[in-house]
Amino acid sequence: QVTLRESGPALVKPTQTLTLTCTFSGFSLSTSGMCVSWIRQPPGKALEWLALIDWDDDKYYSTSLKTRLTISKDTSKNQVVLTMTNMDPVDTATYYCARTTGGVTTPFDYWGQGTLVTVSS
Amino acid sequence: SYVLTQPPSVSVAPGKTARITCGGNNIGSKSVHWYQQKPGQAPVLVIYYDSDRPSGIPERFSGSNSGNTATLTISRVEAGDEADYYCQVWDSSSDHPVVFGGGTKLTVL
Repeated sequence: QVTLRESGPALVKPTQTLTLTCTFSGFSLSTSGMCVSWIRQPPGKALEWLALIDWDDDKYYSTSLKTRLTISKDTSKNQVVLTMTNMDPVDTATYYCARTTGGVTTPFDYWGQGTLVTVSS
Repeated sequence: SYVLTQPPSVSVAPGKTARITCGGNNIGSKSVHWYQQKPGQAPVLVIYYDSDRPSGIPERFSGSNSGNTATLTISRVEAGDEADYYCQVWDSSSDHPVVFGGGTKLTVL
C-alpha cells in the first residue's frame, strides 16, 4: 500500500525558510524509475509543480522558483525534503508531494493529503 | 515553458455529457494525464496516457488527444462528478518538465 504524507510548519514568517518533509511508504526511491515531486496550490487557485527528485538523485525545479528551492532525499528514511527560501505571503498554499513510477511521461499516481502553509507576520 | 490552456468552467446537466478541453502547442505529440480534485481533497488521477483509466475509475470517464487539443469526456454525468479537473503533461524538452493546466471547474446543474 502506497502512502505519502507531508509534514512541516503551518505558519512561517516572511523572509523565513520553509522546510517540508514528505514521508512515504509502499515503495522505495532507490527503485529505478521512481520519482517524487512537490506540487503546491494556493487557496482557490491551480496546481503548480515545484520540484522533482528521481531514483538516481537527478533534480528538476520550476524555472520560476529554482533559485529558492532545494529538493533532497533520504532513501533510508523514505523521505524527500523540500526547502524554499525567502518565503512571501504569495507562497501561502497547500503543498503536496506525489509519486511517479517510471520515465518522463508517467502520471502522478499517488498523492499525499497536502499540508497548508500560511506565510504571515 | 510549455503552456496548457483549460476553460475556467464547464456546466452540464445530470445525465448529459461533459467535455473538458486542454489546449497546447502540438499536445497530440505528448501524453496527457487528467486529475479530478474535489474540495478539500488531494487530486486523483482519472485518465492517464491520453485515454487509459486507472482501476476504480468509472468507464464514464474517457480521454482523447490530437493536434492541439486533449479532451476529457465524462458521460452520463452525476452530481458526484462536480469537481475541478486538471490536465498535465511532461515537457521533456524543457528544464521545467511538469506542466499543469489552469484547471476547469465542472458544475453539475
